[in-house]
Amino acid sequence: EVQLVESGGGLVQPGGSLRLSCAASGFIFSDHYMDWVRQAPGKGLEWVGRIRNKANSYTTEYVASVKGRFTISRDDLKSSLYLQMNSLKTEDTAVYYCGRDRGINYGYEWGQGTLVTVSS
Amino acid sequence: QSVLTQPPSVSGAPGQRVTISCTGSSSNIGAGYDVHWYQQLPGTAPKLLIYGNSNRPSGVPGRFSGSKSGTSASLAITGLQAEDEADYYCQSYDTSLSGYVIFGGGTKLTVL
Repeated sequence: EVQLVESGGGLVQPGGSLRLSCAASGFIFSDHYMDWVRQAPGKGLEWVGRIRNKANSYTTEYVASVKGRFTISRDDLKSSLYLQMNSLKTEDTAVYYCGRDRGINYGYEWGQGTLVTVSS
Repeated sequence: QSVLTQPPSVSGAPGQRVTISCTGSSSNIGAGYDVHWYQQLPGTAPKLLIYGNSNRPSGVPGRFSGSKSGTSASLAITGLQAEDEADYYCQSYDTSLSGYVIFGGGTKLTVL
C-alpha cells in the first residue's frame, strides 16, 4: 500500500523559512517523479512544483509564485521528499500535500497533508 | 482563476445522477492530455477517483465514471449516495504555462 506522510508544518512569521518532509513507502520511490501541491484555507488545489527521478537528472519545476523561494529535493536512499520554503508570505498559508506521480496517464496519489501558517 | 473551469457547485437527491464538467483549452485537454479526477471528503486529502479520462482505481465504485471530448471532460455519478458529498477536482497538464500540472477550481457536490 502506498503511504505518503508529510511533516514539518507549523506557524512561521512572514519572511521566515520552513522545511517540509514527506516519507514515502509502499512503492519504489526512486522510480517516480514527486510533486507538491497546496490548498489555501477554503480554496482549491494549486500545484507547487515537482522533482523528476535520477534518470531525468532530478530536474525541478515550480509554479511562478514560488520560483526562487521554494526548493524541492529528494533523498532516494531514505525514500523522502523535501520542500524548503524561504521568504514565506502570508499567501503561502495552506495545507501542503506531497504526491506520487503515477505517470501522465495515471494521475497522482497524495499524502494526508501538513498545515503551514504564515502569520505575524 | 483556474486554468480548468468547473461549476462551483452541483446538487442532487439520493439515487439521482449528476455530472460535473471540466472545461479546458487547446493547450491542455484539447492538446490530448489525459484528465484525472479527485474526490476530497471534508477535512481529508484528495483521493484519486478517475485516471486517464475514464479509468477507476481499484476500490472506486462503478457509480463513478469519466469521459473526455475535445477540450472538455466530465465526471458522472449515478445512484447518488449521502457519502458522495464532497469536493471534486479535475486535473490535467499544460505545457504553455509555468505551472505544468493544472487543476480545476473544484466543484462542491451536495446530496439533498
